Amino acid sequence: DGGITQSPKYLFRKEGQNVTLSCEQNLNHDAMYWYRQDPGQGLRLIYYSQIVNDFQKGDIAEGYSVSREKKESFPLTVTSAQKNPTAFYLCASEVWGTGELFFGEGSRLTVL
Amino acid sequence: QQQVKQSPQSLIVQKGGISIINCAYENTAFDYFPWYQQFPGKGPALLIAIRPDVSEKKEGRFTISFNKSAKQFSLHIMDSQPGDSATYFCAARGNRGSTLGRLYFGRGTQLTVWP
Repeated sequence: DGGITQSPKYLFRKEGQNVTLSCEQNLNHDAMYWYRQDPGQGLRLIYYSQIVNDFQKGDIAEGYSVSREKKESFPLTVTSAQKNPTAFYLCASEVWGTGELFFGEGSRLTVL
Repeated sequence: QQQVKQSPQSLIVQKGGISIINCAYENTAFDYFPWYQQFPGKGPALLIAIRPDVSEKKEGRFTISFNKSAKQFSLHIMDSQPGDSATYFCAARGNRGSTLGRLYFGRGTQLTVWP
């Protein structure tokens, strides 16, 4: 089945540790996105990538990093510089510009 | 700066009633307005969408009404069911400059339909 796979689903980390969240898609989509979801805040864009080896900062990129070495993969690293990393992280992909995003099931990160 | 403003933040509707969620935008450089539905613990999924050259779009019990002059659009859920209980997000897609192709989401509405 085609879709977006995020892992892990739940992750606990100690403060000061970097964490990498995985996102893989087999939809052959060019564009991929990372969003952060907090209660009452909606979906806030962290980073996005339109093509391989290229990515752009979204609205809340500070404390995060990404790479796009393969079309299928867009991992997100939550660094120790992110002041409030506990959140629900969503990865999505689309045929660029269509507005129809396909989301993964999310990764819930809790920093202790 | 919130590009798309959504209200209400939460909504409780009785089974069989009509659920109405409203969104407004300022930027005229938007050309596509989708609605996403999210169940607890899951990612959002596209529910229905409309382009600004149409004033209304209906799919089953879900209808989008679009008012271009007022820069407002709304989602109506007719005959609301407990299975419709979810968080709903409106969004708008940019069509020029730095907004080109990007989706801007509202903050979401948590809908509860009780029997």
